[in-house]
Amino acid sequence: KNQVEQSPQSLIILEGKNCTLQCNYTVSPFSNLRWYKQDTGRGPVSLTIMTFSENTKSNGRYTATLDADTKQSSLHITASQLSDSASYICVVSRPGNNDMRFGAGTRLTVKP
Amino acid sequence: DAGITQSPRHKVTETGTPVTLRCHQTENHRYMYWYRQDPGHGLRLIHYSYGVKDTDKGEVSDGYSVSRSKTEDFLLTLESATSSQTSVYFCAIGQQGSNTEAFFGQGTRLTVV
Repeated sequence: KNQVEQSPQSLIILEGKNCTLQCNYTVSPFSNLRWYKQDTGRGPVSLTIMTFSENTKSNGRYTATLDADTKQSSLHITASQLSDSASYICVVSRPGNNDMRFGAGTRLTVKP
Repeated sequence: DAGITQSPRHKVTETGTPVTLRCHQTENHRYMYWYRQDPGHGLRLIHYSYGVKDTDKGEVSDGYSVSRSKTEDFLLTLESATSSQTSVYFCAIGQQGSNTEAFFGQGTRLTVV
């Protein structure tokens, strides 16, 4: 079954700390993996997109990793800020134009 | 928000009434998508369009229909709204199986009472 599982479901950290969010998937065949940030009441916004051949990609304080052999990805957030409070969604695509599989997201809360 | 506008942003309607949600884009993207987002679930594809008058069903299409009469507009219609269709609906543009960017609208919160 083509699934995307994220952990933890929710996470609370203090401002300035680092954190890592996990994404495991069984989607096959694989086209790419994306991480999105979704602020409350808004649509998801792309952070990174990685293809099969990429194993790390950074976007400012966000660094995503991909291990296509074990079908695992992580999103590492460095020096967290209050504005990082959001849901982070892992999305795995299969080849084609209509096949993005979404994880349920990790709800991150950054406290002062 | 990459030139995507959803309307309305919020709507409350009664069971059994028809409802139409609109997605308007200014990016001239060929592909447009409608998703719903429910607590504890990832976004799920309802319908998508790959061009004017070209549409196809997604994972959760029952009870929904769509139309695309011009490139910039993609309409989602609930013919007879049910309480199970209470959700947040997102429109997206971009070729999602490719390695290019996909953009989402702000969402429409629909409540069916």
